[in-house]
Amino acid sequence: AQSVAQPEDQVNVAEGNPLTVKCTYSVSGNPYLFWYVQYPNRGLQFLLKYITGDNLVKGSYGFEAEFNKSQTSFHLKKPSALVSDSALYFCAVDTGRRALTFGSGTRLQVQP
Amino acid sequence: DGGITQSPKYLFRKEGQNVTLSCEQNLNHDAMYWYRQDPGQGLRLIYYSQIVNDFQKGDIAEGYSVSREKKESFPLTVTSAQKNPTAFYLCASSIPAGVSDTQYFGPGTRLTVL
Repeated sequence: AQSVAQPEDQVNVAEGNPLTVKCTYSVSGNPYLFWYVQYPNRGLQFLLKYITGDNLVKGSYGFEAEFNKSQTSFHLKKPSALVSDSALYFCAVDTGRRALTFGSGTRLQVQP
Repeated sequence: DGGITQSPKYLFRKEGQNVTLSCEQNLNHDAMYWYRQDPGQGLRLIYYSQIVNDFQKGDIAEGYSVSREKKESFPLTVTSAQKNPTAFYLCASSIPAGVSDTQYFGPGTRLTVL
C-alpha cells in the first residue's frame, strides 16, 4: 500500500530564513508526488508536483521541492520564508489510481 | 468566475439523520473526489468518480454514499451509519492530464453532529 509520512507536526522558522518541510513516501510503483497548502478553514491550494524528469520542481509562491529516489523523499523548500507562508502543508502521492494519499500535514509557523 | 463550490459552509446534524453535502464545479473537469479531514490527520479519500454515472469507493467509504448524474455535480450523503461524521469535508476535481492529475479543491464544508 502506498503511504506518505510527514515526520514533523510543526516547523518554526524566522522570516527571511530558508525553510524545509519534510516528506517521505512508500510506494510500489513510480511515485507521483504533490504538495498542497491549506490556510485556516479553507480548501487546499496546489503548490507543485513531481511526475518525472528534473528532480528539482519549482512551484507557486517561490516554493520548490526536491525528489530524491534513493531516500524516497520529496522535501518542500523555500529560500526565504515570509510570515504569510504560515499555514498547513500537505504532501501527497498518487501511484496511478488517480486519487491521492495524503500525509498528516505539517504546520509551518514563520515568525517576524 | 470558475471554480468549485461547496455548500453549505457549516452544517449541523442530529444523530440518526442523513445529510447531503453539495459539490459543484464549472471547470469542465471529468473527475471529482470527496475527502474527509480530521484534526491532526491528513485528508482521507471517501469516494471518487472519473466519469459521469460511475464512481469508486475510496479508503473510508463506509457510512457514505454518492451519485454522479451530471458532470458538474458530485453530492455526498453522510448516512446515519457513519459512526463519527463530525469532520471537515473537502471536494476536489481534476481533468485527465497524463499519468497523474492535479486536483483542485473547493472551500470545504464543516459538519458537526449534535
